[in-house]
Amino acid sequence: AQSVSQHNHHVILSEAASLELGCNYSYGGTVNLFWYVQYPGQHLQLLLKYFSGDPLVKGIKGFEAEFIKSKFSFNLRKPSVQWSDTAEYFCAVNPYSSASKIIFGSGTRLSIRP
Amino acid sequence: DGGITQSPKYLFRKEGQNVTLSCEQNLNHDAMYWYRQDPGQGLRLIYYSQIVNDFQKGDIAEGYSVSREKKESFPLTVTSAQKNPTAFYLCASSMIPSSGELFFGEGSRLTVL
Repeated sequence: AQSVSQHNHHVILSEAASLELGCNYSYGGTVNLFWYVQYPGQHLQLLLKYFSGDPLVKGIKGFEAEFIKSKFSFNLRKPSVQWSDTAEYFCAVNPYSSASKIIFGSGTRLSIRP
Repeated sequence: DGGITQSPKYLFRKEGQNVTLSCEQNLNHDAMYWYRQDPGQGLRLIYYSQIVNDFQKGDIAEGYSVSREKKESFPLTVTSAQKNPTAFYLCASSMIPSSGELFFGEGSRLTVL
């Protein structure tokens, strides 16, 4: 079945540690890819997106993600996390074949120890 | 301010009752969406609509119904046929139907007693 997989359900890091959250999808063909973030008590908001071009995309707050087509992956990275990065992170896929349909992964809860 | 307004924020319902969640947007977006958020399961797509008077089922449409009579409104009805309706419901909209960049409301938490 077509899906979006986030294998890390809960990640706990200390401040200044490096972060990588995995995202894999199973849709064939061209896709748009996204990472959304939900800070405690706040709306879901867009962190970064990939439509085409350079597979390394940069988003807000120092986050970046790399699209590796051969691996169907779109992993999120940050070189040095801060306590304020504590949030839930969702990967999302928009398959071109499905027009407006946007499918989310199960999310990864990130906890940062001060 | 432009945005998406969901109401009510909290709703309690007895088993067997239908309930309608409101979603209004003043962003002039074409596409609107309903997701259900459960712990450990992320966001699951219930229904989405690209234009007025048209909508498509998402992955978990059973027990839900929607309408799109106006561009700015996309109400969701949780029917008594939905076996596990207690959840957090999120409405979203998108400026370009195929872009996938979503703007979310604050959500509605439904509890079935």
